[in-house]
Amino acid sequence: SAVISQKPSRDICQRGTSLTIQCQVDSQVTMMFWYRQQPGQSLTLIATANQGSEATYESGFVIDKFPISRPNLTFSTLTVSNMSPEDSSIYLCSVDIARAEAYEQYFGPGTRLTVT
Amino acid sequence: GQNIDQPTEMTATEGAIVQINCTYQTSGFNGLFWYQQHAGEAPTFLSYNVLDGLEEKGRFSSFLSRSKGYSYLLLKELQMKDSASYLCAVSTSGNTPLVFGKGTRLSVIA
Repeated sequence: SAVISQKPSRDICQRGTSLTIQCQVDSQVTMMFWYRQQPGQSLTLIATANQGSEATYESGFVIDKFPISRPNLTFSTLTVSNMSPEDSSIYLCSVDIARAEAYEQYFGPGTRLTVT
Repeated sequence: GQNIDQPTEMTATEGAIVQINCTYQTSGFNGLFWYQQHAGEAPTFLSYNVLDGLEEKGRFSSFLSRSKGYSYLLLKELQMKDSASYLCAVSTSGNTPLVFGKGTRLSVIA
């Protein structure tokens, strides 16, 4: 398995501000994924972050709103820009770890964001 | 498109057995995962199936039928701590993000 840490674990932010979430993995991974989980909902993929290239965003998510950095194989950041109450959610980073038969996906502890 | 269906909520009694079903229709298939998620916490990996059949791991077992696009998670000897959401997720190809169902919220009652 992988040990994944996220900072901050939670934050309360004002409308219109931005928050950068950090994700650190204890091993080198090719791909890191950022998910959002709104209250009572399942996980929605925001983007896939590869080291050395631009992130790939899913439908409904754009780089201006959720800029992502991936400076090396163990670290990534997700910024939630110009926040509104609708951005209140848990944000999770995730990595794939290769096993004999397939890749297993592990999650960080999440960042609980509340926008007021 | 991708579609994964599982019941929204289930209730079961402590000590009993419960089966959570998942059906999927995806553009590709490279394995099916089950995750457990307690309220306010991140999902934790429970099981993985890529071949048809039953995988047993302690009190938890997971079954897959690829021809039917069907899986279930079986929880035996239920404990109160098993109250959580259980997420079914499909890998459509290697090293790509999983597609998640909406989750089944299981409540274990005394």
